[in-house]
Amino acid sequence: DAGITQSPRHKVTETGTPVTLRCHQTENHRYMYWYRQDPGHGLRLIHYSYGVKDTDKGEVSDGYSVSRSKTEDFLLTLESATSSQTSVYFCAIRPTANEKLFFGSGTQLSVL
Amino acid sequence: DQQVKQNSPSLSVQEGRISILNCDYTNSMFDYFLWYKKYPAEGPTFLISISSIKDKNEDGRFTVFLNKSAKHLSLHIVPSQPGDSAVYFCAAVQGGSEKLVFGKGTKLTVNP
Repeated sequence: DAGITQSPRHKVTETGTPVTLRCHQTENHRYMYWYRQDPGHGLRLIHYSYGVKDTDKGEVSDGYSVSRSKTEDFLLTLESATSSQTSVYFCAIRPTANEKLFFGSGTQLSVL
Repeated sequence: DQQVKQNSPSLSVQEGRISILNCDYTNSMFDYFLWYKKYPAEGPTFLISISSIKDKNEDGRFTVFLNKSAKHLSLHIVPSQPGDSAVYFCAAVQGGSEKLVFGKGTKLTVNP
């Protein structure tokens, strides 16, 4: 258990509404990541963080923003959800001196 | 441009036989490679990794082979068990980079 909690685990929302997903870690690791998983696309990086208030974009960042005001929390926000953002979202953490990622259990998001 | 490619979306093998999952990469700067395993409704879990200074790494029934000249790695599972049925993701990272790049995954089915 890597001490990662994602919330909510499931969410259904309507197009145009804002949505925030939360990732919480108990290990105080520096690096945190948000990925989405879609059939035929594998795992694609949305945004990542390398410290409090330090974030950067991944390969599919359009339509998403992130915030990290505390080491333990990394928030992913869809400002105005679209149906193309229906996906499974995974948070991951990475201990500083190790290239392995440890993933949370995921959030299934459906945008209707 | 896909930097990590898993060209077989699915693979089916009989219990007890060998499973071979393949992965190709295009970025010659990648120097660390990982395999993750994912069951439905769970987050991906780390399986095995290999550094570019090695050509083989073994952990129990799992062996990863790296052919740098061909930019190819493979995961061998011997003997395959029904519990190995999952989606397997290949990932690669360049030294000093915060970003792991994942392939699209291969769904392995091990038939009893």
